[in-house]
Amino acid sequence: DADVTQTPRNRITKTGKRIMLECSQTKGHDRMYWYRQDPGLGLRLIYYSFDVKDINKGEISDGYSVSRQAQAKFSLSLESAIPNQTALYFCATSDGTRRILYNEQFFGPGTRLTVL
Amino acid sequence: LAKTTQPISMDSYEGQEVNITCSHNNIATNDYITWYQQFPSQGPRFIIQGYKTKVTNEVASLFIPADRKSSTLSLPRVSLSDTAVYYCLVGDPVYGGATNKLIFGTGTLLAVQP
Repeated sequence: DADVTQTPRNRITKTGKRIMLECSQTKGHDRMYWYRQDPGLGLRLIYYSFDVKDINKGEISDGYSVSRQAQAKFSLSLESAIPNQTALYFCATSDGTRRILYNEQFFGPGTRLTVL
Repeated sequence: LAKTTQPISMDSYEGQEVNITCSHNNIATNDYITWYQQFPSQGPRFIIQGYKTKVTNEVASLFIPADRKSSTLSLPRVSLSDTAVYYCLVGDPVYGGATNKLIFGTGTLLAVQP
């Protein structure tokens, strides 16, 4: 979805390096999420944020940190990258301001990260 | 936390109707059932959501029996472009803390052949 952008789209880095993945959205949504996807394992939630001052750990937050710089921006950092963090990373957003029946999440195109 | 079970893969041919069933025996009262579609190297895309009985939109239908312990995603007259992974999710989509209850499993890889 073009309303959710991720940079970079591909990144190769070395073990021990710090790396930041960025996500921006123009949908005006308050909620943002970071997932990682490994072959055969589906998507797993790393962190999520319901607004700028609300950040929560997901299933697999160890080794990751996040920053919600603004409502539209949510960054994921790997403080010291390791090879088993090689994966496809997705950012997503959703609208939590309306008590609607569904909480559809809109995903970005993904960042393919390789840690050597 | 309701765990879901889906077939790992399914094969079909163009023009056929495809039904993908998901089991969720421990579904909670407030949980909804949501299906997402994912093409290779893209993020998942919402398809449909329901609570009980039948829901239909322009893309698919979702059938949920009275006990809600399973659900079936129905794709009418599939085409090659429907080849994708389909995820069944169960969770409370509305209230606080809902996000950490939306767990993507491994999904079902649907392969549509000519």
